Amino acid sequence: DTGVSQDPRHKITKRGQNVTFRCDPISEHNRLYWYRQTLGQGPEFLTYFQNEAQLEKSRLLSDRFSAERPKGSFSTLEIQRTEQGDSAMYLCASSPRVGTDTQYFGPGTRLTVL
Amino acid sequence: AQSVTQLGSHVSVSEGALVLLRCNYSSSVPPYLFWYVQYPNQGLQLLLKYTSAATLVKGINGFEAEFKKSETSFHLTKPSAHMSDAAEYFCAVSPSGTYKYIFGTGTRLKVLA
Repeated sequence: DTGVSQDPRHKITKRGQNVTFRCDPISEHNRLYWYRQTLGQGPEFLTYFQNEAQLEKSRLLSDRFSAERPKGSFSTLEIQRTEQGDSAMYLCASSPRVGTDTQYFGPGTRLTVL
Repeated sequence: AQSVTQLGSHVSVSEGALVLLRCNYSSSVPPYLFWYVQYPNQGLQLLLKYTSAATLVKGINGFEAEFKKSETSFHLTKPSAHMSDAAEYFCAVSPSGTYKYIFGTGTRLKVLA
């Protein structure tokens, strides 16, 4: 069990560019979550997958954001036409099918949009 | 809508003193409740969780929290602060029937030598 991993850890991009982040959950965890954390705030829920199905999306997830989890393993979060307001830490978490649904978080990807 | 309120965005305690971080939630049905700790430039690490079993929950690193339904509170305590406890602490609720977490805005704990 190597924990949740995220790649890259840091991303600097120019406004208008597209970016893609990857999350690898803990093996056998069938639920995967994306959160966004801005400076001085707690994480805010973006979306959640159960296996490959995206079951819930927050209103924060505008049409410039898209998330996928093909084959129910790793997940990607893409942001198109980035804006300065997208600058944040993007956190991924996973949880097992059973139990009390504790979410285990990755180290995050810090996005800076110039 | 469900919400979590953490009173005090910054708390300072002396090394060896009691740590008390406050968390109140709004929910008509007792939810699952969590405390996470975040060190600089890192993800969140689970300290402890309440899942409708014992109301006094013990976690890692000497932390514990007590669920009080009448007060809709889930305050985090530690009898004696250590320098390594300096970090940001987040209270979170997982409302009944959902899987997402709703986080508070966090409390940054500073431990003074």
